Amino acid sequence: NAGVMQNPRHLVRRRGQEARLRCSPMKGHSHVYWYRQLPEEGLKFMVYLQKENIIDESGMPKERFSAEFPKEGPSILRIQQVVRGDSAAYFCASSLTGTRAGEQYFGPGTRLTVT
Amino acid sequence: AQSVSQHNHHVILSEAASLELGCNYSYGGTVNLFWYVQYPGQHLQLLLKYFSGDPLVKGIKGFEAEFIKSKFSFNLRKPSVQWSDTAEYFCAVNNAGNMLTFGGGTRLMVKP
Repeated sequence: NAGVMQNPRHLVRRRGQEARLRCSPMKGHSHVYWYRQLPEEGLKFMVYLQKENIIDESGMPKERFSAEFPKEGPSILRIQQVVRGDSAAYFCASSLTGTRAGEQYFGPGTRLTVT
Repeated sequence: AQSVSQHNHHVILSEAASLELGCNYSYGGTVNLFWYVQYPGQHLQLLLKYFSGDPLVKGIKGFEAEFIKSKFSFNLRKPSVQWSDTAEYFCAVNNAGNMLTFGGGTRLMVKP
């Protein structure tokens, strides 16, 4: 029973490049969440998606960041023109239902380093 | 704004000592409460959760937490820690919408 999968686990990008982070939810889960963990801080919510829909993007920076969860394939968090401040661990979580009814299961994270 | 506070950022204990990690939140309505643990090099795992019912919740690995509504608290406890409990512990709250709001985390080091 595979858990939440994220790849790559580590990603190094130069300033100005694009970063693409992938998340495959647990089997049967249709709710995906992205969180960012800056050094020495807790996780901060970024975006909540269901298949083909963005439900809540209140935590997403207004520029350069986007997320999608297509009908087929993994959820993608895309960061355009990365800057040093984007260096962080990005965690994906999935749930069977919305969190009011169920808990979220987390992936191992992608550690993004911007040089 | 919604917030979750974990007042102890770093805790060092000897094996067999008792553990209590504080968690306070700032919402007034119905909440779901969670404790997650992140072992070194691993992803977050759910320790325990509270949705409703008995405010004393038992989780995995001998952990428990008590929801005290009047104090807006959900403290994590373990009577006797082991070296293998060395990890970072995160309290999280869900009240409205579908996001979890996390505390800043508490790093626990257990000395053998």
